[in-house]
Amino acid sequence: NAGVMQNPRHLVRRRGQEARLRCSPMKGHSHVYWYRQLPEEGLKFMVYLQKENIIDESGMPKERFSAEFPKEGPSILRIQQVVRGDSAAYFCASSPGGGPTDTQYFGPGTRLTVL
Amino acid sequence: RKEVEQDPGPFNVPEGATVAFNCTYSNSASQSFFWYRQDCRKEPKLLMSVYSSGNEDGRFTAQLNRASQYISLLIRDSKLSDSATYLCVVNRAGNNRKLIWGLGTSLAVNP
Repeated sequence: NAGVMQNPRHLVRRRGQEARLRCSPMKGHSHVYWYRQLPEEGLKFMVYLQKENIIDESGMPKERFSAEFPKEGPSILRIQQVVRGDSAAYFCASSPGGGPTDTQYFGPGTRLTVL
Repeated sequence: RKEVEQDPGPFNVPEGATVAFNCTYSNSASQSFFWYRQDCRKEPKLLMSVYSSGNEDGRFTAQLNRASQYISLLIRDSKLSDSATYLCVVNRAGNNRKLIWGLGTSLAVNP
């Protein structure tokens, strides 16, 4: 049973370009979470999705960031017109359910560098 | 005040030592508590959930004190492979899916 998969593992973009980060949850998991970890900072919740629905996006910046989890295919975190401050590690996690005791399993992360 | 606070360390201990990490949280209505470990440039991995009665998993013991809003992790007989950053994680009350993360405590176990 493959774990959570993220790609690309490393992504370099110039300012103003778009970044697309993909996350495939563990088999059987329908709940996906995105987190961002800035250098020397803790993980910060961004968004929680179930298939075709955004459940909680309270951690998403108001502009340039969007997320989706379509019926088929991976979850996508999209960052438009990237700026240097977007450079960070972006982790995706999945869980079988959305309850408080459901363990979130993390993917290896995508390290975004904005030049 | 941060919602979850940890001593950043670093803790430098010899192999075989016992080391304890502490964590405090500010929201008294928080319901779920976890310790994760994160190796350098890797993803966080669940170490253990923390239950009100306290729980143990091999060399690791976690305790929760709701009155003081305090969580602890004790590592006995530490190994070189325990070197990592230990993250205290708390759910945000009213939204069980949103985990709030401490900045982590860095541990280096030396031979």
